[in-house]
Amino acid sequence: SQQGEEDPQALSIQEGENATMNCSYKTSINNLQWYRQNSGRGLVHLILIRSNEREKHSGRLRVTLDTSKKSSSLLITASRAADTASYFCATDAGSGGGADGLTFGKGTHLIIQP
Amino acid sequence: DTAVSQTPKYLVTQMGNDKSIKCEQNLGHDTMYWYKQDSKKFLKIMFSYNNKELIINETVPNRFSPKSPDKAHLNLHINSLELGDSAVYFCASNPGGVWANVLTFGAGSRLTVL
Repeated sequence: SQQGEEDPQALSIQEGENATMNCSYKTSINNLQWYRQNSGRGLVHLILIRSNEREKHSGRLRVTLDTSKKSSSLLITASRAADTASYFCATDAGSGGGADGLTFGKGTHLIIQP
Repeated sequence: DTAVSQTPKYLVTQMGNDKSIKCEQNLGHDTMYWYKQDSKKFLKIMFSYNNKELIINETVPNRFSPKSPDKAHLNLHINSLELGDSAVYFCASNPGGVWANVLTFGAGSRLTVL
């Protein structure tokens, strides 16, 4: 069953603005990850936040995690045209070893207007 | 070198036909997956293999048969194709260890059933 729900489904902003997208999930997790998918391409891992972490930064990306609310947010600062893509949150709720894989949300389609 | 490569990238076929998609990873990962992405971009895990052994088989019709001849390869064979099988199929691999469940995806194979 689907674990993550991203919000909004689509987001269009001007270049240079910040983009925020949210993800909610249902079960306890080991970690939560964000992936980017450019049109017609595979998913690329962006950032991972563990269940005992509240905030993580990587370059222009900032991720927060609130396990009490079962939610996460991804902030992209100073957006660029190249950030146009779909962004997915994915939860790792497995028992370990990787066999369970990740459960993905439906994604947020981000469009950066030049 | 492409880390996870899938062939073919595009596949157009008639209902009732049998087709295969191949996946190879040169990352030395032990765990590989097949995911299906539908027209609404929802990603769902189909199969998980660890070192050539099937670990997860989600509720996928038995017309879908994965085969892993060695841990670097995971192929997907689909019998008696139906219209609803039209989707993008992604292969992914998992490094395990410290980076367990940070997945590397292939570029996808877009299957269109007419």
